[in-house]
Amino acid sequence: ETGVTQSPTHLIKTRGQQVTLRCSSQSGHNTVSWYQQALGQGPQFIFQYYREEENGRGNFPPRFSGLQFPNYSSELNVNALELDDSALYLCASSSTGGITDTQYFGPGTRLTVL
Amino acid sequence: ILNVEQSPQSLHVQEGDSTNFTCSFPSSNFYALHWYRWETAKSPEALFVMTLNGDEKKKGRISATLNTKEGYSYLYIKGSQPEDSATYLCAFFGVDQFYFGTGTSLTVIP
Repeated sequence: ETGVTQSPTHLIKTRGQQVTLRCSSQSGHNTVSWYQQALGQGPQFIFQYYREEENGRGNFPPRFSGLQFPNYSSELNVNALELDDSALYLCASSSTGGITDTQYFGPGTRLTVL
Repeated sequence: ILNVEQSPQSLHVQEGDSTNFTCSFPSSNFYALHWYRWETAKSPEALFVMTLNGDEKKKGRISATLNTKEGYSYLYIKGSQPEDSATYLCAFFGVDQFYFGTGTSLTVIP
């Protein structure tokens, strides 16, 4: 059983650019959630995808968007990058997305916006 | 945005000491509380999922309790070992999403 993987590990972008982060869920999991962890903060919920549909969204603007694919891998896209988007981005997969389901996290992608 | 607080922010203990830290959350609209252990350069690892007031969970030397009426959970580590050094995060599910605390960073000194 493979764990949750994320790519790339690190990324540097400039303000105004667009970025795509990728997540490969644990085998058999159909739900993925994305989180942003800014320096000194706890992870903040961005959105969740369940069977390729968005299934809940946190307090993030529309320039944060996502996709989930039939194999349940997913992407987080951020347009018009701002300096405050610099953070660690985590994805977590779970079997059904239920609130008592264990979430399995990836190691994260560190995004730096200059 | 709901407020989840963890204390202390950081903790240094000697090997063999027992320790505990706190996660405080709103006592209304409680659905679930998750605890995670996060070692540097690794992925957060789930420790416990807690749902009922009075829940007690145990995994080896680590245990947790839950009080939903007063809005807190305690995590205990008995006989700390250097490999317990990590950040311990709690996540409260309230109404619509998970709200994470900022974590307690534990360093166990050999």
